Amino acid sequence: KQEVTQIPAALSVPEGENLVLNCSFTDSAIYNLQWFRQDPGKGLTSLLLIQSSQREQTSGRLNASLDKSSGRSTLYIAASQPGDSATYLCAVSPRMDSSYKLIFGSGTRLLVRP
Amino acid sequence: DAGVTQSPTHLIKTRGQHVTLRCSPISGHKSVSWYQQVLGQGPQFIFQYYEKEERGRGNFPDRFSARQFPNYSSELNVNALLLGDSALYLCASSLGQGLAYEQYFGPGTRLTVT
Repeated sequence: KQEVTQIPAALSVPEGENLVLNCSFTDSAIYNLQWFRQDPGKGLTSLLLIQSSQREQTSGRLNASLDKSSGRSTLYIAASQPGDSATYLCAVSPRMDSSYKLIFGSGTRLLVRP
Repeated sequence: DAGVTQSPTHLIKTRGQHVTLRCSPISGHKSVSWYQQVLGQGPQFIFQYYEKEERGRGNFPDRFSARQFPNYSSELNVNALLLGDSALYLCASSLGQGLAYEQYFGPGTRLTVT
């Protein structure tokens, strides 16, 4: 059974710091991995999607890497800003599943202090 | 273009009651999925519908049911509500059913059961 874990559960950093969020998954048979952002009480905004054949994806100050063999992904945020404060969720889509479902981690709550 | 829309945004129900949540996918999207997100956890997959047929179901009791209409909008129904059903219910739409299609999430419906 695929399980997704995110560490740390919460993180508080001063503005301007570079930071790394971690995601691990137990079954390497995935089709892709996505990172989402969720503001309090709101829906999910997709940040980056990495196909299983890819090693990383970049968008602006965000860079996500994928190491399928070790079951790990990282989300790197450069020069953090208070507006980056949110919960970051990682999700995988199992390759052998007949429905396109996403399996999520519990998220990392990020607070960027001015 | 409008994104995924959900209604209502919030509602409060009493234990034992029934609730219907609604979702309108992005125009042209034929697949709708439902997720439940309990406070402090990641979303959990409930259902996927594609072309008006159920294509996937998560580990939820039979009190949960859904359907998709000819215009691809969807309803999630929950009977005999329990306190534990209190959660943010998220709807996601995609162009097709397969793993290659990215899912786009709506803002969610916050359900509180008292």
